[in-house]
Amino acid sequence: QVQLVQSGAEVKEPGASVKVSCKASGYTFTNFHMHWVRQAPGQGLEWMGIINPSGGSTSFAQNFQGRVTMTRDTSTSTIYMELSSLRSEDTAVYYCARGSSIPLDYWGQGTLVTVSS
Amino acid sequence: DIQMTQSPSSLSASVGDRVTITCRASQGISNSLAWFQQRPGIAPKSLIYAASSLHSGVPSKFSGSGSGTDFTLTISSLQPEDFATYYCQQYNSYPWTFGQGTKVEIK
Repeated sequence: QVQLVQSGAEVKEPGASVKVSCKASGYTFTNFHMHWVRQAPGQGLEWMGIINPSGGSTSFAQNFQGRVTMTRDTSTSTIYMELSSLRSEDTAVYYCARGSSIPLDYWGQGTLVTVSS
Repeated sequence: DIQMTQSPSSLSASVGDRVTITCRASQGISNSLAWFQQRPGIAPKSLIYAASSLHSGVPSKFSGSGSGTDFTLTISSLQPEDFATYYCQQYNSYPWTFGQGTKVEIK
């Protein structure tokens, strides 16, 4: 069965960077795009960007251009999202989700990132 | 960016009720519309894609319709496990965007 397992919660100071991982299993990793979506406390869902695990190409929402990096490791079927220059407004749960002909069909469990001094 | 607007933002309903949530796109998106359910503290779950196709394992009490700019999600008979927040999302063009959510509460 498809599973996306994310890394644990993080606490970071303003200005720091955070790197969240998402390990995929139960399907051919390079056949499906992967997305990152975040959700601030009590708020809605915000799409951050997409990575193609096959070639590594990426595309990001304008809000995150210049601050986000998405990478993948095909040997471990893992994708990574790194967000830099963190500010308090980046406090959120970050989700990875698989994309196919059915968009965002499977989701990771989420990773809480808290930005606080 | 395409703006997605859901209505209502919240609603109160009883077990057994039929409820309808609407979603409007700021420009035409064909049928590139998905619906998600999110219970508190849990990742969203895919319900519907291509405006009206049910994701595998989703009960048939959920149905979707619409095309272009106007879409609806209907739950035919609310059960206790259906009380949650529902989001629409367009995937016609990047950046993908979500509606603000509709919270379905118990009356």
